[in-house]
Amino acid sequence: EAQVTQNPRYLITVTGKKLTVTCSQNMNHEYMSWYRQDPGLGLRQIYYSMNVEVTDKGDVPEGYKVSRKEKRNFPLILESPSPNQTSLYFCASSFRRLMNTEAFFGQGTRLTVV
Amino acid sequence: GQQLNQSPQSMFIQEGEDVSMNCTSSSIFNTWLWYKQDPGEGPVLLIALYKAGELTSNGRLTAQFGITRKDSFLNISASIPSDVGIYFCAGQSGANSKLTFGKGITLSVRP
Repeated sequence: EAQVTQNPRYLITVTGKKLTVTCSQNMNHEYMSWYRQDPGLGLRQIYYSMNVEVTDKGDVPEGYKVSRKEKRNFPLILESPSPNQTSLYFCASSFRRLMNTEAFFGQGTRLTVV
Repeated sequence: GQQLNQSPQSMFIQEGEDVSMNCTSSSIFNTWLWYKQDPGEGPVLLIALYKAGELTSNGRLTAQFGITRKDSFLNISASIPSDVGIYFCAGQSGANSKLTFGKGITLSVRP
C-alpha cells in the first residue's frame, strides 16, 4: 500500500530535550516536505527536499532541522524544542513531474512541548 | 508572499444539500489542488487541476480551475454526514515551486 508513515503519532516532551520525528514513504517520490498545522493558521511549510541531499527552507524553518540521506526518509529534528513548537506536524511526499505536483500526507504527529 | 483565501472559515449545511467553496488569490497559479482532512488524520487529495478552465469531477465532487488562474471552486453535491471535515485548497505557481495552502473551511453537515 502506498503511504507516508510518520512516527511517533503523539509525543509530549520537555523544553530543550532534542527530538526527532521520522517520516518514510514507499512511493519512490523525489519530493518530501514537512508542515505544521496550527488553529487559524492552516498548513505552513517548514522544510522541503527536492531529492537526496537537497533540502531547503520553507516558510517557518526556525528551530527545525532536516536531513535527506535516503530517498525514502526525511526526518524532522528539533534540537532544542520550545513550547511554541507545540503543534500538529505533517510529512508529505510527491513526484516532481513537469508542471504537476500531488502531495500525499502522513497521518500527523501531535507534539506537545511543556 | 503568495496567499490563498478561503472563506468563510466554517460552513453548516443540511444533509442532501449542495455546497460550493471558493479559493481565490491575487497571484496566478498553474496547479490547483483540493484536499479534505478528517479529524485526527492528514489531508487527503480530492481533486487536482492542471489547466485553466479545467472542470474535473470525482464522484459527488466537482472542481474547476478558474480561467484567470487566480481562483478555483469545489462543489459537493447531495452532501452526506461523512463529508464533514476541513477542506483545503492549495496552489502551485511553477514546476519547482512549493505548494501554498489556504487556511481551510470546516464543513458541518446536519443530518
